Amino acid sequence: GAGVSQSPSNKVTEKGKDVELRCDPISGHTALYWYRQSLGQGLEFLIYFQGNSAPDKSGLPSDRFSAERTGGSVSTLTIQRTQQEDSAVYLCASSLWTGNTEAFFGQGTRLTVV
Amino acid sequence: DAKTTQPTSMDCAEGRAANLPCNHSTISGNEYVYWYRQIHSQGPQYIIHGLKNNETNEMASLIITEDRKSSTLILPHATLRDTAVYYCIVRVDSGGSNYKLTFGKGTLLTVNP
Repeated sequence: GAGVSQSPSNKVTEKGKDVELRCDPISGHTALYWYRQSLGQGLEFLIYFQGNSAPDKSGLPSDRFSAERTGGSVSTLTIQRTQQEDSAVYLCASSLWTGNTEAFFGQGTRLTVV
Repeated sequence: DAKTTQPTSMDCAEGRAANLPCNHSTISGNEYVYWYRQIHSQGPQYIIHGLKNNETNEMASLIITEDRKSSTLILPHATLRDTAVYYCIVRVDSGGSNYKLTFGKGTLLTVNP
């Protein structure tokens, strides 16, 4: 596609369930980033990938959060045993590489934990 | 990365120039100034970036002071669709370590009819 695609666009889940969020970056982009934005708040960096490697996972809020990327393309962010405080918009972005290039963001996945 | 300071909100009349200031007094020599904006319910959108020279593209102009301690994003003819939160970010361009954009609170620009 022409831009970064995220699915689903909206997800409502019960507390304690696991969820998986998907990101399809722009073709050819080697760098991929995950951010989280809670209601009325700024963007919180979670993790980035260079290729399939995630050199820095320190932004992940807890060990319930994990992410992977395969084939240097699609990435999934998994949240296990969801809690209400996990409710937020999860944004994915990609760029040609991690250097001085612009990052293109997807529209995000709005996660609501009830 | 250096911290930035932006006004919380600004208003602008439709058709007029919108000038959004950003202070980055602790910026280092190898840090670029980036601007992104986020329209309500959308992901952030890249606008422009620069190191020390003024830059212009189809969306905006970026004016960076000679001492690089502050900059101004200029939208020459603001439209209602430019209403958004504008983020000023300083980012090291050193290859492997500048992997993330650190977003602050930004400036909410409201363009009024």
